[in-house]
Amino acid sequence: QVQLVQSGAEVKKPGALVKVSCKASGYRFTSYDIHWVRQATGQRPEWMAWMNPDSGNTGFSQKFQGRVTMTRNTSISTAYMELRSLTSEDTAVYYCAIIWNVYEDAFDFWGQGTMVTVSS
Amino acid sequence: SYEMTQPLSLSVALGQTARITCEGSNIGVKIVKWYQQKPGQAPVLVIYRDTNRPSGIPERFSGSKSGNTATLTISRAQAGDEADYYCQTYDSSPPNYVFGSGTKVTVL
Repeated sequence: QVQLVQSGAEVKKPGALVKVSCKASGYRFTSYDIHWVRQATGQRPEWMAWMNPDSGNTGFSQKFQGRVTMTRNTSISTAYMELRSLTSEDTAVYYCAIIWNVYEDAFDFWGQGTMVTVSS
Repeated sequence: SYEMTQPLSLSVALGQTARITCEGSNIGVKIVKWYQQKPGQAPVLVIYRDTNRPSGIPERFSGSKSGNTATLTISRAQAGDEADYYCQTYDSSPPNYVFGSGTKVTVL
């Protein structure tokens, strides 16, 4: 079965960077784009970016362009999202997700989420 | 950037019907999805392509669209339907997967 397992909670200081991992299993890792979505407490989900694990091609929300880097290690089926120059407004749960069915064109599978807290 | 607006909250009596609206400019030409999110959990897709249910989602959940409004209908509401619900679409200019403002559904 498809599973996306993310790294654990992080606490960072303002100005720092955070790197979240997303380990995929149950399917061919390179066949589906990995998306990153975050959600602050009480707020709507917010799409950040996507990466094609095969080619390494990426796309970003304008809001996060220049502050997010995505990488992957195909040998261990793991994608990474790095967010720099953290502020308190980056405190949120960060999810990886995949669009499994092109016809559905929706986020079918999600990781369990990684809580990132930015506090001095 | 594209905006999708939902009512903040909605209450429905057990066994009755809840209708959650999602308003957006020209939403008629957009493809709308709906997600259910329970506290501490990731969102779960309940409707794709405006009106379609993924496998495993009860028939009590249905989607529709008319004019500038998409609607998620929950028939015969159950206690387990208490959750936040978000509409979502893709906007190409600029590229963005947009989520609605979210509706908290309470089953009385």
